[in-house]
Amino acid sequence: AQTVTQSQPEMSVQEAETVTLSCTYDTSENNYYLFWYKQPPSRQMILVIRQEAYKQQNATENRFSVNFQKAAKSFSLKISDSQLGDTAMYFCAFMKHGGDDMRFGAGTRLTVKP
Amino acid sequence: DARVTQTPRDKVTEMGQEVTMRCQPILGHNTVFWYRQTMMQGLELLAYFRNRAPLDDSGMPKDRFSAEMPDATLATLKIQPSEPRDSAVYFCASGWDLTGELFFGEGSRLTVL
Repeated sequence: AQTVTQSQPEMSVQEAETVTLSCTYDTSENNYYLFWYKQPPSRQMILVIRQEAYKQQNATENRFSVNFQKAAKSFSLKISDSQLGDTAMYFCAFMKHGGDDMRFGAGTRLTVKP
Repeated sequence: DARVTQTPRDKVTEMGQEVTMRCQPILGHNTVFWYRQTMMQGLELLAYFRNRAPLDDSGMPKDRFSAEMPDATLATLKIQPSEPRDSAVYFCASGWDLTGELFFGEGSRLTVL
């Protein structure tokens, strides 16, 4: 089974600064998807960004970007110009191609300080 | 605005009682996932369906949990009998297998006393 590891249980960043959250995964699959989800205190799971493994170009969504290193099985999330509303749990997730078997990491609790 | 709908939002029950959680996936989605979230275990995959067929329920305690999709608009997760260790937030998520993206409901918080 695939495993997802987030080695940073907690992180903090000053408002307007940049922070990077780490994620590594283990799989024997060649084609798959990677995701970052955000869970604010409301507990709603919100998709932040999605990457398809066959695409070499790193995904970007406004202030959120990823650094996808397929050979190293690494998928980090960079948040630029951090805002107070970015305070949340962030989960890295892996899904096999075909929409199967989505697995999550343990999460990183991010606090943005004013 | 299409969304995954879960009921109940919160449920408090006593040990031994039957609990049923319901999920209405987004119209047109063909995959449905059930997850359980606790502080200790994080997000655990319990079961998932494609085109209403169960693909994997190895994450569920078989003796007390069951998951079904009676039709394309309804997925259910049942616990019978419930135990205090089942206290958690249960999430349903739906998606389309060709895009590999899941949309989550707001979750059902279950407390078993």
